[in-house]
Amino acid sequence: QVTLKESGPVLVKPTETLTLTCTVSGFSLSNARMGVSWIRQPPGKALEWLAHIFSNDEKSYSTSLKSRLTISKDTSKSQVVLTMTNMDPVDTATYYCARINAYSSSPWFDPWGQGTLVTVSS
Amino acid sequence: SSELTQDPAVSVALGQTVRITCQGDSLRSYYASWYQQKPGQAPVLVIYGKNNRPSGIPDRFSGSSSGNTASLTITGAQAEDEADYYCNSRDSSGNHLNVFGGGTKLTVL
Repeated sequence: QVTLKESGPVLVKPTETLTLTCTVSGFSLSNARMGVSWIRQPPGKALEWLAHIFSNDEKSYSTSLKSRLTISKDTSKSQVVLTMTNMDPVDTATYYCARINAYSSSPWFDPWGQGTLVTVSS
Repeated sequence: SSELTQDPAVSVALGQTVRITCQGDSLRSYYASWYQQKPGQAPVLVIYGKNNRPSGIPDRFSGSSSGNTASLTITGAQAEDEADYYCNSRDSSGNHLNVFGGGTKLTVL
């Protein structure tokens, strides 16, 4: 059974750096054509793709947030880490990690973690 | 960059058929994937690729695509299908970016 679980702080202050960890089980981060994505959802709003990383360490970032995001993985620990710098109250959201399947040119996300709500407030 | 446009809200009578659409330039090159999200829950994949359903997704869910429009069809909508639905596609820029639509709130009457 494939599962993903997000962990990290529930509250961060403005200007601080957020570090989130996604711990996966049931598949390996060295599995070709699969990777892990981070996706967020502000309260009552739509999903927003943030970044992904593949087994070959290929990384992609949202154009609008690229300057603030860093994604990395530790295959031995089955973990993917996302950092986001200079947090602002508008970054308050539930942050999800999901496995991305890229067996074709049209990838999909399955399954998803339960999500973790991060609030940005002083 | 790329955008995917969805109708904010759609309603359907119980047992009837409903189509939820997603428009965007990237859909001329890539298939959309569709996600169902119920209140307080994480999204769940319902359709991917040309028209594939993950294990456990009822066969009343189907997908199709034409030009710049992808569609999710629910044939014989059930009360439990009431949810938000999001489409997603690879960005058309040629980079390995990704984009979600704004979501459609489906109400089953």
